Amino acid sequence: IAGITQAPTSQILAAGRRMTLRCTQDMRHNAMYWYRQDLGLGLRLIHYSNTAGTTGKGEVPDGYSVSRANTDDFPLTLASAVPSQTSVYFCASRIQGTGGHGYTFGSGTRLTVV
Amino acid sequence: GQNIDQPTEMTATEGAIVQINCTYQTSGFNGLFWYQQHAGEAPTFLSYNVLDGLEEKGRFSSFLSRSKGYSYLLLKELQMKDSASYLCAVSLPSGGYQKVTFGTGTKLQVIP
Repeated sequence: IAGITQAPTSQILAAGRRMTLRCTQDMRHNAMYWYRQDLGLGLRLIHYSNTAGTTGKGEVPDGYSVSRANTDDFPLTLASAVPSQTSVYFCASRIQGTGGHGYTFGSGTRLTVV
Repeated sequence: GQNIDQPTEMTATEGAIVQINCTYQTSGFNGLFWYQQHAGEAPTFLSYNVLDGLEEKGRFSSFLSRSKGYSYLLLKELQMKDSASYLCAVSLPSGGYQKVTFGTGTKLQVIP
């Protein structure tokens, strides 16, 4: 894979439906993140995971959940989608503890909730 | 709260030099990132400044003044492919994780 893969690339979702955005990395990075990007608001952190088996809440966690069963995968689940969750979602990873290393981002998932 | 300010848009001419400023007011500071994001694509890492001063990396340089809460990204010999948004982001102390707060980005248009 050589990096981070997100799926799907884009999705139109009916309000109230459940959806999982997938994220897989093959760089053995221990830290992974989910951001949403909205016009005029920049990137905002939803959830993060410092290492497999642990997760934490970011700035805008409500309505989202994550799991980190192994190093490579970090899925984001919308339990019951609402229109305000229309956004572009980016998964990112980095080597935890090395401040100088920036994030590697996935190519993003464009989600529209109608 | 955390506040990061960047100009919304800038226009510059191919071959010229452009400076994109970023000011921040945050509770704590670990370092400052710059990312480049082309339209419809993911952000890519450009630089990370921890100490005051200028760090040069090819055509791109990044400057930091911690006492002033100020950074800039300098792009030299502009090329058309440099048209993109440039995101300033501050790394903050946090007990649980590396908390990074992003500015809203500066959209740079390079014209012939």
